[in-house]
Amino acid sequence: GAVVSQHPSRVICKSGTSVKIECRSLDFQATTMFWYRQFPKKSLMLMATSNEGSKATYEQGVEKDKFLINHASLTLSTLTVTSAHPEDSSFYICSATPPTSGREDTQYFGPGTRLTVL
Amino acid sequence: GENVEQHPSTLSVQEGDSAVIKCTYSDSASNYFPWYKQELGKRPQLIIDIRSNVGEKKDQRIAVTLNKTAKHFSLHITETQPEDSAVYFCAASINTGNQFYFGTGTSLTVIP
Repeated sequence: GAVVSQHPSRVICKSGTSVKIECRSLDFQATTMFWYRQFPKKSLMLMATSNEGSKATYEQGVEKDKFLINHASLTLSTLTVTSAHPEDSSFYICSATPPTSGREDTQYFGPGTRLTVL
Repeated sequence: GENVEQHPSTLSVQEGDSAVIKCTYSDSASNYFPWYKQELGKRPQLIIDIRSNVGEKKDQRIAVTLNKTAKHFSLHITETQPEDSAVYFCAASINTGNQFYFGTGTSLTVIP
């Protein structure tokens, strides 16, 4: 149980284009999902907390107009990198917490999306 | 906010030896401390966790200890194997469903 998927696993795009990344909880409903960014050999940096049916909560320094988050259902959150630039190239990972499993405080991670902006 | 520090950043041990990774946290309100293992290019996988009402937890070759007074917690891996080689992250969380504050990671290499 507690499986989180992400799509796509890898994307290469041209500078200036927008890229959408999907995060799905496959076997549970998640009212809250988290989006992280990870640079090579670095830790996970929390970008935002995605709340179903309401606006995401962004961490300090993360541009909300740049990284659009939509949590339209209890099993899907999307992160859209708008007008991507090479400095946005990174590994983006989402996580979710199964609310009624007895593991409410544990986050389960998706497999990540490798974004490369040319 | 919470600040989690992790040491060492890299660790090499001989197969069969033990490995210890230490983390400290700053916010005494933190009450949940998970440890994740991440292999290159893969997702972080939860390997063990501990809550603030417990001082120690063990799962086969892996154990975690927590000292609430000193605000530090440690991961212990015994009888290490090459497949234990990965990056390990500690984290701290204040409340259920809240965000995690991650440590900077420890790259563990187990030498056959």
